[in-house]
Amino acid sequence: QLQLQESGPGRVKPSETLSLTCTVSGDSISATVYYWGWIRQPPGKGLEWIGSTYYRGRTYSNPSLESRVTMSIDKSKNQFSLSLSSVTAADTAVYYCATTPSATIITYFDYWGPGTLVSVSS
Amino acid sequence: DIQVTQSPSSLSASVGDRVTITCQASQDIANYLNWYQQKPGKAPKLLIYDASNLETGVPSRFSGSGSGTHFTFTISSLQPEDVATYYCQEYESLHITFGQGTRLEIE
Repeated sequence: QLQLQESGPGRVKPSETLSLTCTVSGDSISATVYYWGWIRQPPGKGLEWIGSTYYRGRTYSNPSLESRVTMSIDKSKNQFSLSLSSVTAADTAVYYCATTPSATIITYFDYWGPGTLVSVSS
Repeated sequence: DIQVTQSPSSLSASVGDRVTITCQASQDIANYLNWYQQKPGKAPKLLIYDASNLETGVPSRFSGSGSGTHFTFTISSLQPEDVATYYCQEYESLHITFGQGTRLEIE
């Protein structure tokens, strides 16, 4: 069974880059049956998909965030990462990493990390 | 982009009641719709995938139906542990969209 754990700074300054890592246990991140994704949730609000990436480099992102989002996979550490540039207070949210059991399209998210709160403030 | 409109935004019901939440898509999404439960302070949990398939381990009082643009999520007999916010999520396009959420409380 997969387990996911987000890590990263809890606070980022406006205009800087938010960087988070998701550590995967229970399977290899190079497994051919998963997309690795990020979803966020501003305090008291709903869920917003940020993007998903496949170990062979295929990546899809929310059009509203695409210009600021970079995702990558580190096979040696069994981790995948999110970078969100030029952050503002609107990027304050709980950030979740999650998996999609598919090698072709992003369908649903079956395993989730517990989430990590990132606050954007000076 | 596809929009999904979830209703109601909040709901209060009694233990044992049948509860229904709906999701309306802005265009035909076939059966490409999923349902999640999120309890306070926790990550969402997948309950229903592809409109009507129950995720492994999820109690059978939860069910989903619909196709095209109109979808329904039902709890057949509300239990105290079902207090949560419920979200639908579509995946017809390459860009995933969640509904706004329905907050479910016990009367």
